[in-house]
Amino acid sequence: DVKVTQSSRYLVKRTGEKVFLECVQDMDHENMFWYRQDPGLGLRLIYFSYDVKMKEKGDIPEGYSVSREKKERFSLILESASTNQTSMYLCASSFVGWTGDTEAFFGQGTRLTVV
Amino acid sequence: EDKVVQSPLSLVVHEGDTVTLNCSYEVTNFRSLLWYKQEKKAPTFLFMLTSSGIEKKSGRLSSILDKKELSSILNITATQTGDSAIYLCAVSNNNNDMRFGAGTRLTVKP
Repeated sequence: DVKVTQSSRYLVKRTGEKVFLECVQDMDHENMFWYRQDPGLGLRLIYFSYDVKMKEKGDIPEGYSVSREKKERFSLILESASTNQTSMYLCASSFVGWTGDTEAFFGQGTRLTVV
Repeated sequence: EDKVVQSPLSLVVHEGDTVTLNCSYEVTNFRSLLWYKQEKKAPTFLFMLTSSGIEKKSGRLSSILDKKELSSILNITATQTGDSAIYLCAVSNNNNDMRFGAGTRLTVKP
């Protein structure tokens, strides 16, 4: 079974702190994604990566950065946490096989509260 | 700008009813459309659609893609309380990204 693991289920941080959210997948997937999910807004793409050291901005990259130094790990960084970044963060991974897409597999989510 | 729109945003039905959830998209270099079900945790995969007009079916759930209309529907027949969830539609493109709609929150009452 594909496993996508996020390092924390719940996190409380103070305004201005630098926050690291880690995501690890064990299926050698090329693509990895970070989303945030807020009520009524669905999953909004923050960043995605299609290969090691490659990253692309999603719809809401402001205030975030990412790092993909190894294929299995994709980190989301909040440079200076703010209260409007309080949200559920979901990591996902997928690959494109020779017949096309596969579905994305999700981690369990990290509920981040910034106080 | 790529966009995925789901409707309705919220739906309340009674057990046994049939529901149809809609997803429309505007995506450059469309590759596939995916449906997910999300209860209290991470989304779980339901269907992936790449070809127009071919219905995918799993038990009481079915889905079809219309590339001409840039839309997809998800049907659930004989709904049960366990179908209560948020249903998410996502679209992937040839740039490897994947964008989601806002979701439809389905509540099935006994």
